[in-house]
Amino acid sequence: AQSVTQLDSQVPVFEEAPVELRCNYSSSVSVYLFWYVQYPNQGLQLLLKYLSGSTLVKGINGFEAEFNKSQTSFHLRKPSVHISDTAEYFCAVSGANTGNQFYFGTGTSLTVIP
Amino acid sequence: KAGVTQTPRYLIKTRGQQVTLSCSPISGHRSVSWYQQTPGQGLQFLFEYFSETQRNKGNFPGRFSGRQFSNSRSEMNVSTLELGDSALYLCASSPGWAENSPLHFGNGTRLTVT
Repeated sequence: AQSVTQLDSQVPVFEEAPVELRCNYSSSVSVYLFWYVQYPNQGLQLLLKYLSGSTLVKGINGFEAEFNKSQTSFHLRKPSVHISDTAEYFCAVSGANTGNQFYFGTGTSLTVIP
Repeated sequence: KAGVTQTPRYLIKTRGQQVTLSCSPISGHRSVSWYQQTPGQGLQFLFEYFSETQRNKGNFPGRFSGRQFSNSRSEMNVSTLELGDSALYLCASSPGWAENSPLHFGNGTRLTVT
């Protein structure tokens, strides 16, 4: 079985400061990892994904994430946040033989303070 | 290319009634998944359809059902509504049935049960 833990439910950060949103997963099989963003009253939008290869993955809007197999982590980072980054962020995992069943974390609410 | 379209956006129903939600996937996508999103439980997998066949099912009671049509459009039905069914229901599509294929989400249907 797979599960995802997002360690911080809320993260406030000042505009132009760096941010890291933490995600840990547990899985007994090979995994694929994703970060999604959800703006109010909208669905989820894919930020980035790790399927294989380089452990540092770059996504849209200046976000990046690093896959760390030994620590079973996939933390999301941005060097300088903007007001428009205020949203809910979800880490998700899928694995071998699960088809399209994704397991989502409970989300991290990022608030960027002017 | 048009995104995933869900209708209606908002629904208000009374306990005991039934409801049908509709989802049109991205053109060419053959897999459709449904998720329930609530503040307390986060995103929970309902079921997934591929080529009109249910491939995967989450841990929800039989009151929740779905189907997929030959044009890949999907519907989900909830019978005998309960107050706890109030949630945002998200539909997601992907090109095929593969665990490394990212999900593309619609904006959801907000169901309120009174």
